[in-house]
Amino acid sequence: EIVLTQSPGTLSLSPGERATLSCRASQSISRTYLAWYQQKPGQAPRLLIYGASNRATGIPDRFSGSGSGTDFTLTISGLEPEDFAVYYCQQFGSSPQYTFGQGTKVEIK
Amino acid sequence: QVQLRELGPRLVKPSQTLSLTCTVSGDSLSSGGYYWSWIRQPAGERLEWIGRFFSSSGNTDYNPSLKSRVTISVDTAKNQFSLEFNSVTAADTAVYYCAKGAGSVAFGVWGQGSMVTVSS
Repeated sequence: EIVLTQSPGTLSLSPGERATLSCRASQSISRTYLAWYQQKPGQAPRLLIYGASNRATGIPDRFSGSGSGTDFTLTISGLEPEDFAVYYCQQFGSSPQYTFGQGTKVEIK
Repeated sequence: QVQLRELGPRLVKPSQTLSLTCTVSGDSLSSGGYYWSWIRQPAGERLEWIGRFFSSSGNTDYNPSLKSRVTISVDTAKNQFSLEFNSVTAADTAVYYCAKGAGSVAFGVWGQGSMVTVSS
């Protein structure tokens, strides 16, 4: 099973700042199989990015994804008040099997 | 617009079976080739995929670590799919989500979640 490790655990930033979130896989994965989600308290996760860098429908362009191999990044170019939330990466592997990272909380500084 | 809604008991006793149903509106479980999954999230922990079925074939796949206790089934007449999770323990306490696949690799539409507590 591929393990995803996200860092940092918590990111304290101010509105307007840039957020950079990391997701590291325990072994190399195809870009096609890496996704990012946003989750707010009491809500279900929302798909932001699939295929490592493709924004899902309706996702603002301040969200971008990059990376390959074992290292992937989600960048929020200028934090809006509604962006303070928990973010998860997720991979799809053989078996089939889906696994998630432990999450990064983006909080208001 | 596709909407999913989980329904089921909020409290289950240890060793019993947890049963949840996901009702789908705005889409049909009997048409198209989509994956429909169950995912859970214990409080303060990461999300865990439970299993899925493929609407074209009806084939199911399960998380290897949960496979021995899980069954996913579909009722196309009611446009619902269900989860049965047997021999539950307190470790199975979680919010349970149903979700529609975004292709085979991600989850594009989620239900609002159903909190299930395992306790006597």
